Amino acid sequence: EPEVTQTPSHQVTQMGQEVILRCVPISNHLYFYWYRQILGQKVEFLVSFYNNEISEKSEIFDDQFSVERPDGSNFTLKIRSTKLEDSAMYFCASRTNRGSLNEQFFGPGTRLTVL
Amino acid sequence: GESVGLHLPTLSVQEGDNSIINCAYSNSASDYFIWYKQESGKGPQFIIDIRSNMDKRQGQRVTVLLNKTVKHLSLQIAATQPGDSAVYFCAEKARGGYQKVTFGTGTKLQVIP
Repeated sequence: EPEVTQTPSHQVTQMGQEVILRCVPISNHLYFYWYRQILGQKVEFLVSFYNNEISEKSEIFDDQFSVERPDGSNFTLKIRSTKLEDSAMYFCASRTNRGSLNEQFFGPGTRLTVL
Repeated sequence: GESVGLHLPTLSVQEGDNSIINCAYSNSASDYFIWYKQESGKGPQFIIDIRSNMDKRQGQRVTVLLNKTVKHLSLQIAATQPGDSAVYFCAEKARGGYQKVTFGTGTKLQVIP
């Protein structure tokens, strides 16, 4: 069964460094998302991406964040200068444009630790 | 402001019993309500959704009930199994905000064998 994959599973970085989190959405999906989940808290929407552009973003997704679909398979989240409070699980999700429009398929997440 | 929250942080049920997980919401502009299941170490998994103009929707072993009068949402799981042990999140999607999904705080379901 096709699934969303994410790499790395765990990323440790120093405050102020740039990180790139990578995702490979399900191949025939057209809508892509990033969410984050701070330990023990709820899942928070960051950004949605469709047709090679951001379609919606939250107030969390400030100028330090960017997303890119550099080729036909990868979807990346870049944090330009990490802060301690960026430590969280980051989930990528994707969905098709058919069937249930609410059924987003989530990857296993990348745990980002900022020291 | 909009918010989606859960009444109980932890729910323990005996295997074979039915589970009911509750959720309150405050955003009347929500168009869809969605339930997700998150197992330990995994990303959220879509279970079922319900449109705001519906009161009830059934899936496989799950039923979602929506009471717009009191802004309450529930997920019923029939014949709960050990594999149902997870954290369950309700989420909402606002009308017009067709991409953004707002998650609630989660309820942990523990199934006692």
